[in-house]
Amino acid sequence: DSGVTQTPKHLITATGQRVTLRCSPRSGDLSVYWYQQSLDQGLQFLIQYYNGEERAKGNILERFSAQQFPDLHSELNLSSLELGDSALYFCASSPSQGRAEKLFFGSGTQLSVL
Amino acid sequence: GENVEQHPSTLSVQEGDSAVIKCTYSDSASNYFPWYKQELGKGPQLIIDIRSNVGEKKDQRIAVTLNKTAKHFSLHITETQPEDSAVYFCAASREGSTLGRLYFGRGTQLTVWP
Repeated sequence: DSGVTQTPKHLITATGQRVTLRCSPRSGDLSVYWYQQSLDQGLQFLIQYYNGEERAKGNILERFSAQQFPDLHSELNLSSLELGDSALYFCASSPSQGRAEKLFFGSGTQLSVL
Repeated sequence: GENVEQHPSTLSVQEGDSAVIKCTYSDSASNYFPWYKQELGKGPQLIIDIRSNVGEKKDQRIAVTLNKTAKHFSLHITETQPEDSAVYFCAASREGSTLGRLYFGRGTQLTVWP
């Protein structure tokens, strides 16, 4: 168990809908990272938050947004969903000061857009 | 940005044999190279990492080598066991950078046959 909690584990929805994925980092970790994993794109970095502030942005679509709350949990919001958004979404946290070393990944949320 | 190439995409070995997975990177500023293991239904888990000031690092049956000049690094697993079967990812980043991202390879599906 990595100590990173992601909910829900599975999500099935329809095109055009909006969903929210939730992540609780390991106790004490201030950084949260979101990654998307798909067969054709591999593990793609989406966005990073550090202590409530956006720190880095990767290949995140404008339809996607995220935030980190004062209690350090994070949410990834996906809207106007398309079939191609079906993927495994991982959250990770790090004990390093906003750096990418030693990421601890959650078990992921499997999103299926039908 | 950084580009990490990983080979092979699949690898089958007999129990007790060695397995080698190779990665190359493009950004000469990258100085941190972790390897992650992902088992079915789980998130990636860090198994070993190496920094650019070290050429080799070993942890029991797992070793990683780094050639900065050639910009490639490799994972070596000796005396493989069925429980080593998983997808392995290499990654690269700039340690100390607050940009906070890992660039992942596409993964290697390792199967160890008993």
